[in-house]
Amino acid sequence: AQTVTQSQPEMSVQEAETVTLSCTYDTSESDYYLFWYKQPPSRQMILVIRQEAYKQQNATENRFSVNFQKAAKSFSLKISDSQLGDAAMYFCAYRSVKLIWGAGTKLIIKP
Amino acid sequence: DSGVTQTPKHLITATGQRVTLRCSPRSGDLSVYWYQQSLDQGLQFLIQYYNGEERAKGNILERFSAQQFPDLHSELNLSSLELGDSALYFCASSVGPIAATNEKLFFGSGTQLSVL
Repeated sequence: AQTVTQSQPEMSVQEAETVTLSCTYDTSESDYYLFWYKQPPSRQMILVIRQEAYKQQNATENRFSVNFQKAAKSFSLKISDSQLGDAAMYFCAYRSVKLIWGAGTKLIIKP
Repeated sequence: DSGVTQTPKHLITATGQRVTLRCSPRSGDLSVYWYQQSLDQGLQFLIQYYNGEERAKGNILERFSAQQFPDLHSELNLSSLELGDSALYFCASSVGPIAATNEKLFFGSGTQLSVL
């Protein structure tokens, strides 16, 4: 069965600095998709970035980028120039058929 | 605003009771997904409907049931409620059946269920 592991329950970063959130997953499939979702205090689940496993190039969305290491089954999220509005729970998710979620990492931004 | 509407936002009830959670997907979306987010188990996929038909089933208890109506809104029914059912219940929608694609999911704001 596929699993997703986020080993950092909580991370903190100074405003304007860079932070990396870790995610590892386990699967025997070769075709799948990976996602990072953000859940701010409003509880809304917001898609941050997504990566197709068949693509070698790492996805980038403005200040958000991923480091996708398929062989290592690692999918980390890098947030550059952290802003106060980035404070939220961040969930890593894997999908081949069903969407499987990690436990989340709480990101705190220090002003 | 994702375009997905969930009602009610908060629900407080007692053990043994039955409640119904409602979800209206984004205009044009045919798939509806239900997720449960609890403190000890994280986000769990419950069930998916596509154009009125059950498409995929996750960790949904037998006390729970769902359906998608012809107008594409969906209802999640939770019965014989237990303390452990207290959680945030999310609905999400997408255009297609989503399996093995990177199609984007749009989430509602959730219904916070408290069972006392």
